[in-house]
Amino acid sequence: GENVEQHPSTLSVQEGDSAVIKCTYSDSASNYFPWYKQELGKGPQLIIDIRSNVGEKKDQRIAVTLNKTAKHFSLHITETQPEDSAVYFCAASRSGYSTLTFGKGTMLLVSP
Amino acid sequence: DGGITQSPKYLFRKEGQNVTLSCEQNLNHDAMYWYRQDPGQGLRLIYYSQIVNDFQKGDIAEGYSVSREKKESFPLTVTSAQKNPTAFYLCASSIGGAEQPQHFGDGTRLSIL
Repeated sequence: GENVEQHPSTLSVQEGDSAVIKCTYSDSASNYFPWYKQELGKGPQLIIDIRSNVGEKKDQRIAVTLNKTAKHFSLHITETQPEDSAVYFCAASRSGYSTLTFGKGTMLLVSP
Repeated sequence: DGGITQSPKYLFRKEGQNVTLSCEQNLNHDAMYWYRQDPGQGLRLIYYSQIVNDFQKGDIAEGYSVSREKKESFPLTVTSAQKNPTAFYLCASSIGGAEQPQHFGDGTRLSIL
């Protein structure tokens, strides 16, 4: 089955800096890659997703890049703000499957 | 507002007791999921259901049971067979298929007395 590895497990940045979280996946047939943000005591919320027919997607300060050859994808957050502090999860799935496989999460701390 | 409601937010279980966690959605989604979250472990799938009256085991189904009698409801029972039930439990729903975004509730934290 699919295996998703996520790095780093914790990331501390200063407000205004950029943050990058990377995930690798094992199943070359995977074609859907969502990212979720989980604030303390809450459920995860989808912040951006990408499908394998594109290499990059942006939404304001957030972007995701996908390298199908290397089987990795990354979340980029620019101009970080304290409210970006949360746990971020990547995930992967493939057509015809019913479930997502999640990475173990990255705790992002943005210091003022 | 449409969404997923999990209740209760906190739950305590005595040894040998079964407890049921509630999950209700008004998004008209066909698929529903239960995940367990432990520190440093990410989200692990317990059970999922793609349609009413049907459900499948996930990666860690032992000690848990579910039912899907209504489209909007997918309760999870943590049985006494689950020896380490202390965790944060998350319910999610989607329109169906793993390529569709999943919408999560705000979780139930279960602890052992």
